[in-house]
Amino acid sequence: EAQVTQNPRYLITVTGKKLTVTCSQNMNHEYMSWYRQDPGLGLRQIYYSMNVEVTDKGDVPEGYKVSRKEKRNFPLILESPSPNQTSLYFCASSLWGTGTENEQFFGPGTRLTVL
Amino acid sequence: AQSVTQLGSHVSVSEGALVLLRCNYSSSVPPYLFWYVQYPNQGLQLLLKYTSAATLVKGINGFEAEFKKSETSFHLTKPSAHMSDAAEYFCAVSPISSGSARQLTFGSGTQLTVLP
Repeated sequence: EAQVTQNPRYLITVTGKKLTVTCSQNMNHEYMSWYRQDPGLGLRQIYYSMNVEVTDKGDVPEGYKVSRKEKRNFPLILESPSPNQTSLYFCASSLWGTGTENEQFFGPGTRLTVL
Repeated sequence: AQSVTQLGSHVSVSEGALVLLRCNYSSSVPPYLFWYVQYPNQGLQLLLKYTSAATLVKGINGFEAEFKKSETSFHLTKPSAHMSDAAEYFCAVSPISSGSARQLTFGSGTQLTVLP
């Protein structure tokens, strides 16, 4: 089954304790992206990657890191989480192709709480 | 820069009534436009997309949307609401001539409630 998976689905942590949220897709997509969803703000892009070893900042990158060592994986790293990073996080992927009409496929989400 | 405005963060309709969710975009040229749906505790799922082939786009679950360039709108409609349509709906825009690889800018979402 074609899908984007994320782990963990739920995470409660404390300020300053490094954490990683994993994301994996099995569709051979070139493009992957992380979003955070907050009430009334919709989805805001954190980081994206056009291909292996190619990453760039989205609209809200502060406090986050990413890496793309393999095509299928795109982990999100919070080196020193803070309470304002409490949010619902989504990973997404899509074909890059010849235009930007490609549908993005979303993972099920990771609900992060930072105390 | 492109942006998306969804009018009405919450919309309530009775079962069987018309669903109308509004989306307006701001872009120098007509972009690609998308509607996504998010059911409770799930990720986003594509409902439909406009890619300039036809102005009236039909999607899954009986939804459709009409692209109106003069109004810079892409409103989502369904003739008869069903209880299972209760979800949050997001409009998103992507530039056709992409100087940015970010691909999608999302609106703030509209929560649809269907009343029995």
